[in-house]
Amino acid sequence: EAGVAQSPRYKIIEKRQSVAFWCNPISGHATLYWYQQILGQGPKLLIQFQNNGVVDDSQLPKDRFSAERLKGVDSTLKIQPAKLEDSAVYLCASSLRGGGGTEAFFGQGTRLTVV
Amino acid sequence: TQLLEQSPQFLSIQEGENLTVYCNSSSVFSSLQWYRQEPGEGPVLLVTVVTGGEVKKLKRLTFQFGDARKDSSLHITAAQPGDTGLYLCAARNNQGGKLIFGQGTELSVKP
Repeated sequence: EAGVAQSPRYKIIEKRQSVAFWCNPISGHATLYWYQQILGQGPKLLIQFQNNGVVDDSQLPKDRFSAERLKGVDSTLKIQPAKLEDSAVYLCASSLRGGGGTEAFFGQGTRLTVV
Repeated sequence: TQLLEQSPQFLSIQEGENLTVYCNSSSVFSSLQWYRQEPGEGPVLLVTVVTGGEVKKLKRLTFQFGDARKDSSLHITAAQPGDTGLYLCAARNNQGGKLIFGQGTELSVKP
């Protein structure tokens, strides 16, 4: 079974530029998550989708970050304009459903450096 | 805002030692998970606990869920260098299924 696919693996941009990350979850997984992880810290949930609806986006900086999951399958996360403090690893994960003890499967992440 | 507090934040021990990592919250959770993350990779699930007081064992790792379902511990017996990594607890609340993580415990096991 293919895992969660993310691209690109690495990205370096200048501040105020825009960037987009792509995620293809495991086939059949209804729930998709985007996390931001600062080096040495735990992942911070940015947005959680159930199919193509948003379950939670309370920690998504909506003035600069946007995410969509058209057709309830793959998803994109965009930052515009980027700030220095956005430098982090952006992890995408998916799970069969959103509740209970469902396991979340993670991609390898996209390491973003803003200079 | 629900928070998961992990302690200690960093742990450096010698091979063969035992250790315990804690995950605490003031909130009640329907389930709690422990993940392990290696550099350059995403977290990988180790265990899920769903019943208050539950104890699960995975080889040299023992996981316990608190009776009130607010806290959990991970105990490693006779740690090996291969246990090195970032250990994360994660939990879902009773509504909505939002999956949140603690700040992690960075474990280093030296040969």
